[in-house]
Amino acid sequence: GAVVSQHPSWVICKSGTSVKIECRSLDFQATTMFWYRQFPKQSLMLMATSNEGSKATYEQGVEKDKFLINHASLTLSTLTVTSAHPEDSSFYICSARDLGAREGLGTQYFGPGTRLTVL
Amino acid sequence: SQQGEEDPQALSIQEGENATMNCSYKTSINNLQWYRQNSGRGLVHLILIRSNEREKHSGRLRVTLDTSKKSSSLLITASRAADTASYFCATGTGTYKYIFGTGTRLKVLA
Repeated sequence: GAVVSQHPSWVICKSGTSVKIECRSLDFQATTMFWYRQFPKQSLMLMATSNEGSKATYEQGVEKDKFLINHASLTLSTLTVTSAHPEDSSFYICSARDLGAREGLGTQYFGPGTRLTVL
Repeated sequence: SQQGEEDPQALSIQEGENATMNCSYKTSINNLQWYRQNSGRGLVHLILIRSNEREKHSGRLRVTLDTSKKSSSLLITASRAADTASYFCATGTGTYKYIFGTGTRLKVLA
């Protein structure tokens, strides 16, 4: 099946710094990628939809200036957590939809996640 | 919140028993998917069922979908200790984004 990678798999940073997380589709093109956030023992909350070549669409309550998304190519989306604070500590997961999948259907392929800890 | 709900929140069974998890959602959907997540890891896709399907099988997994009740169930037969994980349903509405349910934490005791 299709593979989505994330880098780094984990990161520890100090408060006030910015952290960039990469999401790559390795063997397929993805015009659309999604970023989720997951707190311990909770479900995944969709943060934003990343669209190649255009601005990301953020879910209600997600600060676009705090979580910068750039979908620079058909295989790469990045999420930058700016001026990170301890409350930003979480598990961030991306997913990508295969460009070749039929519209409205198709499996989303998830990355392995990035665990962010802000001290 | 658009998030779906799953029940039970937690389930503990003996190896060999069947495990059933239920998912309810709020809006009309194009398809529903079930995912598995081991502790602190990424998600693994298990099965996708389309809105015009009522039942689907994959190995020891059986998924049903009742769009009139806006609900789905995942049945794992002859469970194994390795099935211990969290299970999530995710509903797709045709805009490619998926909304996840609250999840069921399954523990299979050897």
